Amino acid sequence: DSGVTQTPKHLITATGQRVTLRCSPRSGDLSVYWYQQSLDQGLQFLIQYYNGEERAKGNILERFSAQQFPDLHSELNLSSLELGDSALYFCASSVAPGGRANVLTFGAGSRLTVL
Amino acid sequence: GDSVTQMEGPVTLSEEAFLTINCTYTATGYPSLFWYVQYPGEGLQLLLKATKADDKGSNKGFEATYRKETTSFHLEKGSVQVSDSAVYFCAHLQDSSASKIIFGSGTRLSIRP
Repeated sequence: DSGVTQTPKHLITATGQRVTLRCSPRSGDLSVYWYQQSLDQGLQFLIQYYNGEERAKGNILERFSAQQFPDLHSELNLSSLELGDSALYFCASSVAPGGRANVLTFGAGSRLTVL
Repeated sequence: GDSVTQMEGPVTLSEEAFLTINCTYTATGYPSLFWYVQYPGEGLQLLLKATKADDKGSNKGFEATYRKETTSFHLEKGSVQVSDSAVYFCAHLQDSSASKIIFGSGTRLSIRP
């Protein structure tokens, strides 16, 4: 157990729907990252939050949004889902907002299947 | 832009064979370099890291040396075990102010008994 908790583990939904993925970071970690892992695209950085504020943005679609709450948990919202959104979504956390020693601790992932 | 390129898999070896997984990067400045491993059904976990040129990261018999002149961070292990079967990701963090870690596409390693 890495200490990073992601729910749900599996989710099956239909095109056009909206889902929310949740992440609780490791105790003491202030920064949360979201990554998308698909077979053809590898591991793509989506977005990072640090202590409630957006810190860095990657290849996140406009249909996707995220936020980090005061208790430091984070949610990734995916809307108007398309077949191509089917992937594993990983959350990771770290103590610091960045820096050379920054090491990410990953959750086990949420597998999203869009039918 | 910054990127990480690693050898494509899958790589299949027999137990006790020597392993090399190549990784090269493009980056401005002096990035930190990482190898993460993903075992079946799990999230990624840090295997080793190096934060400056000529540093050698090591863990669980795996090693990688930060080579600035060749912009490489190849992963090596002298004698692999079946339990090393996993997907290995090379990654870099651009510089001391950066927070976005960029991952390579991953290399799937399978070890035959």
